[in-house]
Amino acid sequence: AQTVTQSQPEMSVQEAETVTLSCTYDTSESDYYLFWYKQPPSRQMILVIRQEAYKQQNATENRFSVNFQKAAKSFSLKISDSQLGDAAMYFCAYNAGNMLTFGGGTRLMVKP
Amino acid sequence: DSGVTQTPKHLITATGQRVTLRCSPRSGDLSVYWYQQSLDQGLQFLIHYYNGEERAKGNILERFSAQQFPDLHSELNLSSLELGDSALYFCASSFGPGQMNTEAFFGQGTRLTVV
Repeated sequence: AQTVTQSQPEMSVQEAETVTLSCTYDTSESDYYLFWYKQPPSRQMILVIRQEAYKQQNATENRFSVNFQKAAKSFSLKISDSQLGDAAMYFCAYNAGNMLTFGGGTRLMVKP
Repeated sequence: DSGVTQTPKHLITATGQRVTLRCSPRSGDLSVYWYQQSLDQGLQFLIHYYNGEERAKGNILERFSAQQFPDLHSELNLSSLELGDSALYFCASSFGPGQMNTEAFFGQGTRLTVV
């Protein structure tokens, strides 16, 4: 079974600084997708960024980028120029078929 | 606003009771997924429907059932409720039959509290 692990229950970052959230996963599949979702206090699950496993190039969305290491099964999220609105729970997720498998989440706090 | 509507937003009920959670997918989306978010189990996939047919089942208890209707809205029925069923229940929708390479849009969830 696929598993997704986020080893950092909580992280904090100073406003305008950069922070990296870690995620590792376990799978025997070769074709899959990886995602980072943000869950602010409103509880809404918001897609931050998506990475296709067969693409070697790391995905980037504005201030958000990933470091995808397929051999190491690692998928970290880097947030640059952190803003107060980035404070939320962040979930790493894996999909090789019909469902998303989520990690346990990392709570990100942003200090002004 | 994701376009996915879940009702009710909050629900408080007693152990042993039965409740129905409702989800209206985004306009044009054919797939509906249900997830449970609890403090001790995190976010877990329950079930997936595509155009009225069940496509995949996750860790869904036998006391739980779901269906997708011809108008594509979906209902999740939870019966013989236990304290441990207290959780946030999310519905998500996407256009295609699988979620792998298409963005799934999540509703705001239904907070179920069993007392």
